[in-house]
Amino acid sequence: DARVTQTPRHKVTEMGQEVTMRCQPILGHNTVFWYRQTMMQGLELLAYFRNRAPLDDSGMPKDRFSAEMPDATLATLKIQPSEPRDSAVYFCASGLLPGGTNYGYTFGSGTRLTVV
Amino acid sequence: QQPVQSPQAVILREGEDAVINCSSSKALYSVHWYRQKHGEAPVFLMILLKGGEQKGHEKISASFNEKKQQSSLYLTASQLSYSGTYFCGTEGLAGGTSYGKLTFGQGTILTVHP
Repeated sequence: DARVTQTPRHKVTEMGQEVTMRCQPILGHNTVFWYRQTMMQGLELLAYFRNRAPLDDSGMPKDRFSAEMPDATLATLKIQPSEPRDSAVYFCASGLLPGGTNYGYTFGSGTRLTVV
Repeated sequence: QQPVQSPQAVILREGEDAVINCSSSKALYSVHWYRQKHGEAPVFLMILLKGGEQKGHEKISASFNEKKQQSSLYLTASQLSYSGTYFCGTEGLAGGTSYGKLTFGQGTILTVHP
């Protein structure tokens, strides 16, 4: 089965440090999302791309977060500087649009980030 | 805006049925349903594109009422494996950069006991 690969799976870092999360979408998928999941806020959309172009990053704190797709096989999410409130699970998801009635988005396993 | 799911939690015994509702304040183009087990990623169940559409997946089916901007997920004869958190994701009609953009509800925790 095709998979979305995220690295690292777990990250513990100190407040103020830079954090980079990586995502390899499924080959051929043209749409990539970054979501953040916390108990309080649920699944929040941070940013998404179509054909590598950023379409919407309104859910991201602009002063510290940045998202890029340097090529079709790699999406990155950076936090600099990190803060304890950034602790969450960050999911990458990819999909093919238009996808028809049988195609949803495939999520990666997530990066569990803890900022101490 | 985030869709609203109800109920927040459901507890069932094996073989019982459940309905999870998803309601949006804006006109919708599509509704997705996902299931997430503890410590895992959300997994796609189905997508509904048309008003009044109903789809099925094993004993799990869903409907989409475009006029009411609502979708319901039906789980019949529940099994232990159905336990998890169910999320609806909605895509608005705005098009353009909103095309494909999914906003998720808060989730419904489903627990099935033997």
